[in-house]
Amino acid sequence: DIQMTQSPSSLSASVGDRVTITCQASQDIRKYLNWYQQKPGKAPNLLIYDASNLEAGVPSRFSGSGSGTDFTFTISSLQPEDIATYYCQQYDNLPLTFGGGTKVEIK
Amino acid sequence: QLQLQESGPGLVKPSETLSLTCTVSSDSISSSSYYWGWIRQPPGKGLEWIGSIYYSGTTYYNPSLKSRVTISVDTSKNQFSLKLTSVTDADTAVYYCARHSVGGSPLKPFDYWGQGTLVTVSS
Repeated sequence: DIQMTQSPSSLSASVGDRVTITCQASQDIRKYLNWYQQKPGKAPNLLIYDASNLEAGVPSRFSGSGSGTDFTFTISSLQPEDIATYYCQQYDNLPLTFGGGTKVEIK
Repeated sequence: QLQLQESGPGLVKPSETLSLTCTVSSDSISSSSYYWGWIRQPPGKGLEWIGSIYYSGTTYYNPSLKSRVTISVDTSKNQFSLKLTSVTDADTAVYYCARHSVGGSPLKPFDYWGQGTLVTVSS
């Protein structure tokens, strides 16, 4: 199985701050990485696919980059509604695997 | 707008079988463009893919659960289902059904999710 390691596991930032989350795959997954946002009590919501493509309707302050084994997710200007846990997920190989999540809070 | 809705018992006894159904609305599960999947999330923990199915019945399972999991599809009812046998406390989780995005492969992102249903394993 491909292991996905996310860091940090949690972070606290101020409104307007730039927030960065990293995800490392245990082997080359090319560009096949998604980022999901999960708010408390809700299902995950796809934000970014193919490492850097923004899903339709997702605000442009969210972005992703990377390929191979190292990936980055960025919120350019943190908003109160961005409070959530963010997960990366690889889909280069089965079984599909997720990172452990990063909980984002407002300072 | 596509909608997915999980249904089934919220409480299952240890060693018994967990059974859930996902009903798909506003799209045909028989579309050749999509796979349909199950994902679970233990309370306070991360996400685990359980398996996925195509309308034809082709399935892919997570090897960690494969010996206990069966996913099936009923195109006449626009539903797909999950059965997990010999459950233990470790199977307590919110279970989500979801659609893989267009492409006719399980190697696609999950673009639509159900709201999730909590299943507790307890005597």
